[in-house]
Amino acid sequence: EVQLVESGGGLVQPGGSLRLSCAASGFTLSTYWMHWVRQGPGKGLVWVSRIKTDGSATGYADSVRGRFTISRDNAKNTLYLQMNSLRTEDTAVYYCATEVVAAGLFYWGQGTLATVSS
Amino acid sequence: QSALTQPPSASGSPGQSVTISCTGTSSDVGGYNYVSWYQQHPGKAPKLMIYEVTKRPSGVPDRFSGSRSGNTASLTVSGLQAEDEADYYCSSYAGSNTFVFGTGTKVTVL
Repeated sequence: EVQLVESGGGLVQPGGSLRLSCAASGFTLSTYWMHWVRQGPGKGLVWVSRIKTDGSATGYADSVRGRFTISRDNAKNTLYLQMNSLRTEDTAVYYCATEVVAAGLFYWGQGTLATVSS
Repeated sequence: QSALTQPPSASGSPGQSVTISCTGTSSDVGGYNYVSWYQQHPGKAPKLMIYEVTKRPSGVPDRFSGSRSGNTASLTVSGLQAEDEADYYCSSYAGSNTFVFGTGTKVTVL
């Protein structure tokens, strides 16, 4: 069974850092491009970042570029999102997702909540 | 990277059809054949319903269909059923390894 399990969320003060992880099972992570998508409380989906199969190419939303870094360890079947200089507006549930078909996110995790507040 | 524009809400009676629009620009929706649609029920992760503008993943009923005209994509749900009541989001590739989601539409089955 394909599974994505996010972890690493929690409460952090503005300006602080968090590192999110997404552990994949039931498939080989190295086969697919991977994404992070977030959803603020009561709000819509917002695309955050994407990384190529081997980690050689990445993309970021303007709102996080320069503060967030996406990476992957295919040997550990794990995706990461390093979030620095966090702002209150970064408060959201963060989902990892797998691009199984072209530009289509087929497998999703259950999400991990990151709360930025003083 | 401005969010794609969707109507906040749409509704229909069981058995009827509802169509949701998703308006972008020539730099996203109109520029690439990479428009996707997602269904999200409260408290759940999104589910891919349409990809590459018109294609359905395995397991998605053929009541769901996608189309595009210029910079506007559309999702049509035919033969509405109670379980179709959910939030729907469009998404498009926007170049330079970036993507953008729509503002979301809440579909109510009357």
